[in-house]
Amino acid sequence: GAGVSQSPRYKVAKRGQDVALRCDPISGHVSLFWYQQALGQGPEFLTYFQNEAQLDKSGLPSDRFFAERPEGSVSTLKIQRTQQEDSAVYLCASSLNWVGVRGGSYGYTFGSGTRLTVV
Amino acid sequence: GQQVMQIPQYQHVQEGEDFTTYCNSSTTLSNIQWYKQRPGGHPVFLIQLVKSGEVKKQKRLTFQFGEAKKNSSLHITATQTTDVGTYFCAARSSGNTGKLIFGQGTTLQVKP
Repeated sequence: GAGVSQSPRYKVAKRGQDVALRCDPISGHVSLFWYQQALGQGPEFLTYFQNEAQLDKSGLPSDRFFAERPEGSVSTLKIQRTQQEDSAVYLCASSLNWVGVRGGSYGYTFGSGTRLTVV
Repeated sequence: GQQVMQIPQYQHVQEGEDFTTYCNSSTTLSNIQWYKQRPGGHPVFLIQLVKSGEVKKQKRLTFQFGEAKKNSSLHITATQTTDVGTYFCAARSSGNTGKLIFGQGTTLQVKP
């Protein structure tokens, strides 16, 4: 598609409920990233994929967070047994690749995010 | 872990005044990227700087990468209300990873 698509746009979950957030990256973008953004803060890295391989998941806050990208395109971020501190905007981004030429990188294209509120 | 620090956190200016935000790292960066996030929106890629001392311009925006590749700045000349938003710098984490580390951002308010 023309941009990165995320769904749902808003999600309200009761504490303890499981949620699944979907990201549809730009077609042909090899790299896909998940970030968490709290109100008034910069995006915090969660995990990233190169095609279907999850190369770095060091930012996932706990084992309740799980991400997958089984066919190297659409990705899902799953949060089990949600807690109030999980309330945030979850941003997905894609890029042509994670490493560019001559020391550069490709810029990310972000989706509009999913605003998760845990009550 | 690696961090990028941004100052100031907030800046209020009168329309027509200039604005500058600064980004600093304790380690040498391979490159740095800048993003803009409008209120209620998502970050949008503006530019990337790679070379030591590099300066790039986009209309009223001037981006600079320090000689030691440890700091960067974004300067906006003659701000307009359309410049309102939060500006983030982001640097690739050290090591063989595609992870970008974002600064805390500088939120710009412009009074008409």
